[in-house]
This record gives sequence, C-alpha cells and structure tokens, in this order.
Amino acid sequence: DAGVTQSPTHLIKTRGQQVTLRCSPKSGHDTVSWYQQALGQGPQFIFQYYEEEERQRGNFPDRFSGHQFPNYSSELNVNALLLGDSALYLCASSLRGDGYNSPLHFGNGTRLTVT
Amino acid sequence: AQSVTQLDSQVPVFEEAPVELRCNYSSSVSVYLFWYVQYPNQGLQLLLKYLSGSTLVKGINGFEAEFNKSQTSFHLRKPSVHISDTAEYFCAVRVVQGAQKLVFGQGTRLTINP
Repeated sequence: DAGVTQSPTHLIKTRGQQVTLRCSPKSGHDTVSWYQQALGQGPQFIFQYYEEEERQRGNFPDRFSGHQFPNYSSELNVNALLLGDSALYLCASSLRGDGYNSPLHFGNGTRLTVT
Repeated sequence: AQSVTQLDSQVPVFEEAPVELRCNYSSSVSVYLFWYVQYPNQGLQLLLKYLSGSTLVKGINGFEAEFNKSQTSFHLRKPSVHISDTAEYFCAVRVVQGAQKLVFGQGTRLTINP
C-alpha cells in the first residue's frame, strides 16, 4: 500500500521563477493538504484541497496556488519565487469521511532552494 | 486562533535515560492534540494523539503523553530512550469543529548520547 509520494525530492530555482510540486495521496485518501517547513521551524499550513476545490487556506500570498485532479493527486504552484520561499514542502493526505479526527499521512517532502 | 509552544528547542539525554518534551498550547475552542516525529530527510510520522477520554495517551515506540486541560499542556514522555529516538519532535493542535489544518510548534530536537 503506497503512502504519500512527492516529486521531485529536491529542486533548485532562481528568484522570480515559477515552480510546480506534485503529490500523490495515500491509496484511498481523497483530501490533500500542503505545508511549508522553513529550516528550523515547524510546518505551516498553506491550503487544503478536497473534491478538486481549495477548501481552506493559511496565511500565504496568492503567489501560492494549487490544484487537485480527479484522481485526488495535487500540485502546488509558486510564482515569482523569493529567497524566503526556500523550504521543505510537505504534502499530507487524509480521508474526509473519517471525520475531523482523521489522521494526516505525510510524504517525505520536496526540498526547494531558491537562489 | 490557536498557537503551540514547545518549551525546549533542544534536549540532549543519555541512552536509556527518561525524557520529557514539553508542549503548551493556546486555544479559545476545544482542540485535538498530536505529537509527530520527523527523522532526518523524512516527512512527519504520527506518534500519538489525544481526541477525548483518558488524559494519558500511549503511542508508538514506547512514547506516551498526558493532556492537562487546566495547564493547557500535552507533554511527551518516554521512560527509557534509545539512539534510534534521535529526531525532531513536533507538537500540534487541530480544532475539534471545523478546519482540519494542524498548527505546529517550533519543534524539539532530541539528541541521544551513548
């Protein structure tokens, strides 16, 4: 049973560029959340997707956008990259039908470095 | 809004010694509480969670945590640590009704010395 998979594992971009990160949820899960973890910090919630719509958003600018596909996989897009966007980006999946205490399953993340 | 404070950024202990990682939270509404572990170059793995009922919660790898509502704390403990417990530990909360998002603390780096 495959867990949450993220690609790529590492990425280096230049300021001003755009980046797309990808996530496949754990088998059977239908909800995907994205988190940003800066070096030495705890993860911060970016947004959550369910039924191909953004359901909730954290305190991130519009440069951060996402998408969820019919197969429940998801993409995180970041435009006009800033040095401060350098971080580990974590994807987490869950099953909406399990209710509010549904546990989140995390992928190993994509390490983004902006130079 | 919710917030989580992990009182120690680093905790060094000797192998087979007991350890406590401290976590305090702030919330105006009821929350669920979680502890996650992050090994180097990996994502987060759930150690244990408190949803309701008994305030003493047992998790994987011999860890346990106690929910104290009056002190708004959820400290993590292990009676005897191993080298393999070296990792970053995160306390997190989620509101009972509404948003599924987790609010994390800053993390505590647990280092086990032989």
